[in-house]
Amino acid sequence: QKEVEQDPGPLSVPEGAIVSLNCTYSNSAFQYFMWYRQYSRKGPELLMYTYSSGNKEDGRFTAQVDKSSKYISLFIRDSQPSDSATYLCASISGSARQLTFGSGTQLTVLP
Amino acid sequence: DGGITQSPKYLFRKEGQNVTLSCEQNLNHDAMYWYRQDPGQGLRLIYYSQIVNDFQKGDIAEGYSVSREKKESFPLTVTSAQKNPTAFYLCASSMRTDTQYFGPGTRLTVL
Repeated sequence: QKEVEQDPGPLSVPEGAIVSLNCTYSNSAFQYFMWYRQYSRKGPELLMYTYSSGNKEDGRFTAQVDKSSKYISLFIRDSQPSDSATYLCASISGSARQLTFGSGTQLTVLP
Repeated sequence: DGGITQSPKYLFRKEGQNVTLSCEQNLNHDAMYWYRQDPGQGLRLIYYSQIVNDFQKGDIAEGYSVSREKKESFPLTVTSAQKNPTAFYLCASSMRTDTQYFGPGTRLTVL
């Protein structure tokens, strides 16, 4: 079993929809959670960063962590065609030296 | 312009040939990383370095080698021992392990 599981999609939504992207993880020691966005043939860019449980909002993006159920979510409001990309979740424990990535979810927002 | 650069963008390798991928950063980050990305898979860690003249193997180090002679540079050599080297290679750097910043990637193809 992978430490971080992510539905690969692909996921297609109409412009303006609310998008929900999700990951589950198995390592209870994970404390830091990240979402990266990767456009086709480009390097990933850090989108959201959260520590422990709770919500974090940045513009149209909200990251949510529920440590009790080991569930990580990214919500995108008013989705735009420019949001079309692969979204990768990642986690790490406080003492670890490497991130653990999910396999990525490919999102397409249709105009 | 601060950031991470990788070169070349595209690289072609013949069977039995060693090739070296370049990664340079001017962010003054201590740590640097090499990942491999295959279609439909997440990022897999090849090697990482926390400090100059020191590096550690990641999950898939076999067939690869690295050096860290300067803080700014972390080249990756794909040796002939790597049996399936065709992939997208990503370099990253960080001040802390959790927030990693990625370069644009190098796409390696074996002819």
